[in-house]
Amino acid sequence: DTAVSQTPKYLVTQMGNDKSIKCEQNLGHDTMYWYKQDSKKFLKIMFSYNNKELIINETVPNRFSPKSPDKAHLNLHINSLELGDSAVYFCASSPPRAQETQYFGPGTRLLVL
Amino acid sequence: AQSVTQPDIHITVSEGASLELRCNYSYGATPYLFWYVQSPGQGLQLLLKYFSGDTLVQGIKGFEAEFKRSQSSFNLRKPSVHWSDAAEYFCAVGEGNFNKFYFGSGTKLNVKP
Repeated sequence: DTAVSQTPKYLVTQMGNDKSIKCEQNLGHDTMYWYKQDSKKFLKIMFSYNNKELIINETVPNRFSPKSPDKAHLNLHINSLELGDSAVYFCASSPPRAQETQYFGPGTRLLVL
Repeated sequence: AQSVTQPDIHITVSEGASLELRCNYSYGATPYLFWYVQSPGQGLQLLLKYFSGDTLVQGIKGFEAEFKRSQSSFNLRKPSVHWSDAAEYFCAVGEGNFNKFYFGSGTKLNVKP
């Protein structure tokens, strides 16, 4: 019944590794997002993906790459992980013509050692 | 640049007491304003939103917020707090196309019995 789900919930890894976080929504939404919540709790949008159009936030390093195999999934792949990537990553989705209403997943807590 | 400020990091209130959480924003155009709540280990849930019209908006769980353009504020209120309201609350501003949201750093609410 979970509307927006993310896996894994926790991810601990070494610097330099490559990792992926998966997001799935069963709401039939067209638009999906990735957010990063840093240690000061600010949520910053990283990407939004509307059907087949990806909108990239320019402040996101190109080590981060979203991949959307279909409308219900938006995965986040991170190459060459750095200490500063440690954060909570939230996936969200929104319905057509109501992008202001976002449904968030529970978050993935990433710790880079 | 757009920004959202929540001046209170922690607030503690007694159960049954009234609550007001502050939010100030900086945005060049007409803002689209939101309040979200995050319970531990959960994603963000939308409490209420303001786009236009009546400046006092009602949300879920008995919350309301008032938009004051002259003060650039969108404070969240509840007349009588319940223990289950203990959580972290985030104020956010959305851009017109809703591809970008700017979140505050959150206010953690504790409720005393």
